[in-house]
Amino acid sequence: DADVTQTPRNRITKTGKRIMLECSQTKGHDRMYWYRQDPGLGLRLIYYSFDVKDINKGEISDGYSVSRQAQAKFSLSLESAIPNQTALYFCATSGLREGRNEQFFGPGTRLTVL
Amino acid sequence: KQEVTQIPAALSVPEGENLVLNCSFTDSAIYNLQWFRQDPGKGLTSLLLIQSSQREQTSGRLNASLDKSSGRSTLYIAASQPGDSATYLCAVNNAGNMLTFGGGTRLMVKP
Repeated sequence: DADVTQTPRNRITKTGKRIMLECSQTKGHDRMYWYRQDPGLGLRLIYYSFDVKDINKGEISDGYSVSRQAQAKFSLSLESAIPNQTALYFCATSGLREGRNEQFFGPGTRLTVL
Repeated sequence: KQEVTQIPAALSVPEGENLVLNCSFTDSAIYNLQWFRQDPGKGLTSLLLIQSSQREQTSGRLNASLDKSSGRSTLYIAASQPGDSATYLCAVNNAGNMLTFGGGTRLMVKP
C-alpha cells in the first residue's frame, strides 16, 4: 500500500465550484504539505502544516485553504475554483529520521477547471 | 528568495551513455538538497538527499554532488538505460523545511 495517498486522482469541475482534495499518510510523519505543478514549471508550495494545530501559508496560498483533521490527514480546498487553478496537485509528508528531513510525495491529483 | 535553475531543460542520449544533470541555486544557506524522479502521470520519487554538510551521495548508478559555496549540485547517471527516461527535479530545502524546486530536466534515453 502507498504511504501517501491522494483522492481523487482526477477531477474536472466548473468555474465557481467548491473543490476538496484529500491526502492521507501512513508514514507517521508530523509535517504535511500541498504543492501545485504547472506544465514546464517546478512545484510551488501552497500550504504546509508541522502538526495538527499548525497551518502556514506557502508561496501561492491565495484562493486556497487547508484543514489538518488529524496527524495523518491534510485536505486542500478551493472555495471557488477558477480556470488558472487547473494544475497537478501533490501532497507530501516529511519527518526527521537520522537527522534527515526528507519529503515523500503522493501520486498527485490532476484538476481541471472549465 | 531562493531560486533554483536546472539545465538543460531536456536531454536525449543513446543507451549506455554517462550523463550529468545540473542544478544551481541562488541562496547557499540550505539545509539539504533532494533529487527526485517524476514519471508521466505519476508522483515524485525521491532519489537522493544530500545534507548541507555532505559533498555527495550515491545510490546504485546515481551519484549526486553538492557544492554549497558555488550554489551547484549535479546528478550523475552512469550507463544510462531506457528505463531512466523521466523528468528529474532538483529541490532545495531552506530553513523551515520548505522545498524550492527547479523546473526539471526531461531525460530521454534511446535504445
